Amino acid sequence: DVKVTQSSRYLVKRTGEKVFLECVQDMDHENMFWYRQDPGLGLRLIYFSYDVKMKEKGDIPEGYSVSREKKERFSLILESASTNQTSMYLCASSREAKGSMYPNQPQHFGDGTRLSIL
Amino acid sequence: AQSVTQLGSHVSVSEGALVLLRCNYSSSVPPYLFWYVQYPNQGLQLLLKYTSAATLVKGINGFEAEFKKSETSFHLTKPSAHMSDAAEYFCAVSDSKAAGNKLTFGGGTRVLVKP
Repeated sequence: DVKVTQSSRYLVKRTGEKVFLECVQDMDHENMFWYRQDPGLGLRLIYFSYDVKMKEKGDIPEGYSVSREKKERFSLILESASTNQTSMYLCASSREAKGSMYPNQPQHFGDGTRLSIL
Repeated sequence: AQSVTQLGSHVSVSEGALVLLRCNYSSSVPPYLFWYVQYPNQGLQLLLKYTSAATLVKGINGFEAEFKKSETSFHLTKPSAHMSDAAEYFCAVSDSKAAGNKLTFGGGTRVLVKP
């Protein structure tokens, strides 16, 4: 089974801190994703990466950055945390579908990190 | 652009009754469709995915979904609800034409199961 591991289930930080959320997958997947989930707003894509050192903005990248130095690890960085970044953060990974014989590749999710910014 | 609409943000069913969750999509052909389930304080778990091999797709935990191209729908059903089915369910469509195969999610439907 695919395993996507997020470093923390719960995290409390203070306004202005630099916050790192880490995600590791063990299935050699090309693609990795960071989402945030808020009540009434569903899942929103922050950033994704389709290769090492490659990154693309999602729907709500403002206030965030990412790093992918190794294929299995994708980090989300809150440069200066603010209270409106209090949320549930979900990491996911998937095999690349483009050009594949199996185009319907699902994403596999971690258990999430519930982040509170005080 | 792709989009997914889930009709009903909340659904309440009695234990043992039919569960029906509606999903309509807008996508280029062929659509790559998925249903996920999220239990409280957990990530999303894949329930099932559409493959062009069959219009009726069976998933885990007794769920199945039927793909209807003419209606652009991919509704999720379970014949008999169990208390453990209380969760939030998401329909999603994949864009496999661009690198990264991003998913577009519906807004989710929260299922409450009454004893």
